[in-house]
Amino acid sequence: DAKTTQPPSMDCAEGRAANLPCNHSTISGNEYVYWYRQIHSQGPQYIIHGLKNNETNEMASLIITEDRKSSTLILPHATLRDTAVYYCIVRGAGGTSYGKLTFGQGTILTVHP
Amino acid sequence: EAGVAQSPRYKIIEKRQSVAFWCNPISGHATLYWYQQILGQGPKLLIQFQNNGVVDDSQLPKDRFSAERLKGVDSTLKIQPAKLEDSAVYLCASSPGISGNTIYFGEGSWLTVV
Repeated sequence: DAKTTQPPSMDCAEGRAANLPCNHSTISGNEYVYWYRQIHSQGPQYIIHGLKNNETNEMASLIITEDRKSSTLILPHATLRDTAVYYCIVRGAGGTSYGKLTFGQGTILTVHP
Repeated sequence: EAGVAQSPRYKIIEKRQSVAFWCNPISGHATLYWYQQILGQGPKLLIQFQNNGVVDDSQLPKDRFSAERLKGVDSTLKIQPAKLEDSAVYLCASSPGISGNTIYFGEGSWLTVV
């Protein structure tokens, strides 16, 4: 599996954009980048995923660098309910890690009023 | 569309007792996962099923943990005998297939071993 590196914590003001970075320098060509978040006492919630192009859905945008070694999750207008642990995951594409999500420590995002 | 259902939501047992968790995946999802999440850590994969067959159970402590998915739908995860370090949230997840599909998680079953 490609490993990911995320800052342990970040703060954001309510209504502003939250930009969460992730490094995945060992990602291989057919591995996808997935983002999940986990609000206290709930299961992980899928946010978005991408391969090489930027992606956007109703929750967030995902910006992947051209060399695919890093990405940024953007929550365009953060609310207090976005306070959670955000996990950046490179999903296995072959061998024993095929299809699996391997979670790291994630980034604790705190949105302030 | 109904999500991944898990029960019980909370369980407290004494060490050396046994416990079982049940999971009902999203209808039609062939792949089912069990994860263990210890407080303060990210979830760790225990076992992965494709239909009723095991794809990967390399991280499952087989001396005390067992899991089955009879008929390729519901699944149960059993711990016997439980140890204090088994205190964790047990998350079930499912997806339509092994790759290229989103994995959806249930709310989890919280286990406290005292």
